[in-house]
Amino acid sequence: GQQLNQSPQSMFIQEGEDVSMNCTSSSIFNTWLWYKQDPGEGPVLLIALYKAGELTSNGRLTAQFGITRKDSFLNISASIPSDVGIYFCAGPFGNTPLVFGKGTRLSVIA
Amino acid sequence: KAGVTQTPRYLIKTRGQQVTLSCSPISGHRSVSWYQQTPGQGLQFLFEYFSETQRNKGNFPGRFSGRQFSNSRSEMNVSTLELGDSALYLCASSLSGRTGSYGNTIYFGEGSWLTVV
Repeated sequence: GQQLNQSPQSMFIQEGEDVSMNCTSSSIFNTWLWYKQDPGEGPVLLIALYKAGELTSNGRLTAQFGITRKDSFLNISASIPSDVGIYFCAGPFGNTPLVFGKGTRLSVIA
Repeated sequence: KAGVTQTPRYLIKTRGQQVTLSCSPISGHRSVSWYQQTPGQGLQFLFEYFSETQRNKGNFPGRFSGRQFSNSRSEMNVSTLELGDSALYLCASSLSGRTGSYGNTIYFGEGSWLTVV
C-alpha cells in the first residue's frame, strides 16, 4: 500500500525551541492532514491542507502543502511541554480514507 | 457536541476468542471508518462505512468484519483472535464520505485497547 515517510522518527528538544518535521510520498496527494496523538488518546486533527503550495497556521503550528504535492511540512514554534506527543501526517489515497505516516515522536525537555 | 465514543476502552481476550468493538459517531456524521494501530505497523485502515454500506476495505483478513446501523453507530468484530491482533482499534467519523474534502474533518475516538493473550 501507499507509504508516507515521516522524518525524523523522534526528536528531543528544549522548551522554547522551534521544531520542524516533514512527510514525503512517492505519489501525489491532494490533501495533507497533520494529526497529534497524546498517550492513550486518539489522533486529533491539527491542520488540514487542500491546495499545493498552501501555507496554514494554527496558533504556534504552521504547515505547508508542498508544490510537488508529494510532501508536506509541519513547524512548531516556541515549543512547550504540552507539545509532547506523536505527530502524524495523513491523507486520503485511492479508496483509503486516510493513509498515515509512522509518526514523529516529540519529547520536550523543560 | 459529544465526540466519537468507543467501547470498551480496554479488554483482554484469549487466542481463538472473538471480540466486538462498538463506535458511536458524532451526531449527524454518516461516515465511520476503523483503523488498527500497532507499534510495528502504525495506523492501518480496516474498513469504512457510509449509510450502512461498507464502502471500502483495507488489506486485512476476513476475520475482521464490521457493520453500520441505521443510526450510524458501527461495530467491528474480530473472530479467532491471534496474538498479533493486540492493538489499539480506532474509530473515526465524518459528515460525508469525501475524505479530505474541505469541511469534511475526520474525528477520532479514544480507541479500544485490545490485548490478546
